[in-house]
Amino acid sequence: DTGVSQDPRHKITKRGQNVTFRCDPISEHNRLYWYRQTLGQGPEFLTYFQNEAQLEKSRLLSDRFSAERPKGSFSTLEIQRTEQGDSAMYLCASIRGAGANVLTFGAGSRLTVL
Amino acid sequence: AQTVTQSQPEMSVQEAETVTLSCTYDTSESDYYLFWYKQPPSRQMILVIRQEAYKQQNATENRFSVNFQKAAKSFSLKISDSQLGDAAMYFCAYRSPNSGYSTLTFGKGTMLLVSP
Repeated sequence: DTGVSQDPRHKITKRGQNVTFRCDPISEHNRLYWYRQTLGQGPEFLTYFQNEAQLEKSRLLSDRFSAERPKGSFSTLEIQRTEQGDSAMYLCASIRGAGANVLTFGAGSRLTVL
Repeated sequence: AQTVTQSQPEMSVQEAETVTLSCTYDTSESDYYLFWYKQPPSRQMILVIRQEAYKQQNATENRFSVNFQKAAKSFSLKISDSQLGDAAMYFCAYRSPNSGYSTLTFGKGTMLLVSP
């Protein structure tokens, strides 16, 4: 494994369109997180998976957002009917266990909504 | 809910000099984990250093060290012998051991500029 992979790295879309981001975590990592990072801010938690189960969702995750992790491997984050306020970097991170273990981040998917 | 505050939006340092980045946090928990992450421009976030709150000894990783003051809820990062490659956004982060999903709470970050 070379790390956490995210695709695409950059997506430009028009308002109202749907977009989907994919994250491939490190294979032995059972926990997967999605964060959103806007300009000048630190990453903010969106949602969390333990294996295939989505166990936590932030209030930031409106009903236009949906995330899946089928079979506990890769994960997708879909945004429907995008708005300009959705423009941000979407970061995926994975970890095995918890505690002092370290989250490994992907390089992110930057979304620009015109 | 825990909060993390980084009061320095930007810091500058010259090569070979030392710089300290500040971080304070607010929590009612006695046990937790603290992290400093580095995010170079257009690149992924990587761990710089971590500290378990129950450990009194300050963590050190090569040129990077922390000053962990638990009573003051302060967790500053010292970078010695700064290098051009240290230029990046630095984020302080908190993790609670009691959170079922064990996520990180980040500060807003400090942009570190390194000049030759």
